Amino acid sequence: DTEVTQTPKHLVMGMTNKKSLKCEQHMGHRAMYWYKQKAKKPPELMFVYSYEKLSINESVPSRFSPECPNSSLLNLHLHALQPEDSALYLCASSQDPPPNTEAFFGQGTRLTVV
Amino acid sequence: AQKITQTQPGMFVQEKEAVTLDCTYDTSDPSYGLFWYKQPSSGEMIFLIYQGSYDQQNATEGRYSLNFQKARKSANLVISASQLGDSAMYFCAMREGHYDYGQNFVFGPGTRLSVLP
Repeated sequence: DTEVTQTPKHLVMGMTNKKSLKCEQHMGHRAMYWYKQKAKKPPELMFVYSYEKLSINESVPSRFSPECPNSSLLNLHLHALQPEDSALYLCASSQDPPPNTEAFFGQGTRLTVV
Repeated sequence: AQKITQTQPGMFVQEKEAVTLDCTYDTSDPSYGLFWYKQPSSGEMIFLIYQGSYDQQNATEGRYSLNFQKARKSANLVISASQLGDSAMYFCAMREGHYDYGQNFVFGPGTRLSVLP
């Protein structure tokens, strides 16, 4: 099973809503990532969890709150988002240590903030 | 500082022809990995091929091969016998080997490949 599953695939939310994005992998990977991708741009790293601990936070606004409940699951809690937060949100996982381990990506959640 | 450069925003290739997508990188770490990903319009990032900095031979995976020139810091992707389904955005990425856990993948700006029938 070389799959990373993200739900939902599409999400439309208002600026006052609270929602969560979910990501799941069963490959035994111990590093999990959240990326944000705007149209026609490369993915930008938001957060990295390593062994269920937050290891990298790329100065992401607090309206994005990551959570890693266990080694297979990664959540991204969203609250009071802005229209400019509309983007494709990609989850990925990889084995460690670096550098010779590729990241496997999910299909992404297309988020629209209205 | 930009660590990955892809100088071709868009490329066209005739079906069944070969195409080379350029990638240059910048790192002072002697241990690193270079990756190519394909992203169709559906959004999923699909891993294609990997090259390690200490690998003596160029990586190959089916129709994909990586032309690795370490001294020039380039890692070009060669797709042989292009197919219509190869039309997508292609990203070159690098991961440095600090042996800390959870290191980032740094992506280049991407090249949009269009395969013509």
